[in-house]
Amino acid sequence: GNSVTQMEGPVTLSEEAFLTINCTYTATGYPSLFWYVQYPGEGLQLLLKATKADDKGSNKGFEATYRKETTSFHLEKGSVQVSDSAVYFCALSDSGGGADGLTFGKGTHLIIQP
Amino acid sequence: GAVVSQHPSWVICKSGTSVKIECRSLDFQATTMFWYRQFPKQSLMLMATSNEGSKATYEQGVEKDKFLINHASLTLSTLTVTSAHPEDSSFYICSAWEGVTYEQYFGPGTRLTVT
Repeated sequence: GNSVTQMEGPVTLSEEAFLTINCTYTATGYPSLFWYVQYPGEGLQLLLKATKADDKGSNKGFEATYRKETTSFHLEKGSVQVSDSAVYFCALSDSGGGADGLTFGKGTHLIIQP
Repeated sequence: GAVVSQHPSWVICKSGTSVKIECRSLDFQATTMFWYRQFPKQSLMLMATSNEGSKATYEQGVEKDKFLINHASLTLSTLTVTSAHPEDSSFYICSAWEGVTYEQYFGPGTRLTVT
């Protein structure tokens, strides 16, 4: 079956630092890959996605590239802000937008200090 | 963006009783909704897929007679935990599939505690 492994946190960085959150996956087919973000007290929000190999998803300064050869979808941001503090989930779906349900990683709690 | 609500946000019930959790898409119609369960420091686990007007599809290992799902309208799905036990205590999250943006939109979750 499908599975997602992401680095466990908490990850604590200073403002303006470079961020990488690693995510690798196991899937039988050609999944779509997602990063979701959850701010305190709110529901998960889609941050970015990629639907095929070598696609790069980007949003709000965050980027992730679908690497089929390494089965990875690492999240990066060049300069983090305090407002980026949240829990980040890597996920995959067998369909384009998650119409079949999502398989999630455990989540990474990111803490940005001023 | 599209908004999904859940009610209640938290509930405490006694062992042996049943509790219903509602999931509503507030500004779009959702033919498909999903129910997830999250344990502390664990990932969200898909429990079932709820399709409007038809029976829910449950993931392997999820007891369909314990977790009753009803999707009677295009904006409402309900999850009823029947004869709840302490091991059913968890965080339950729903999402709704939006067919125009091809995205799942998530509710804020419901914390269930069974005493």
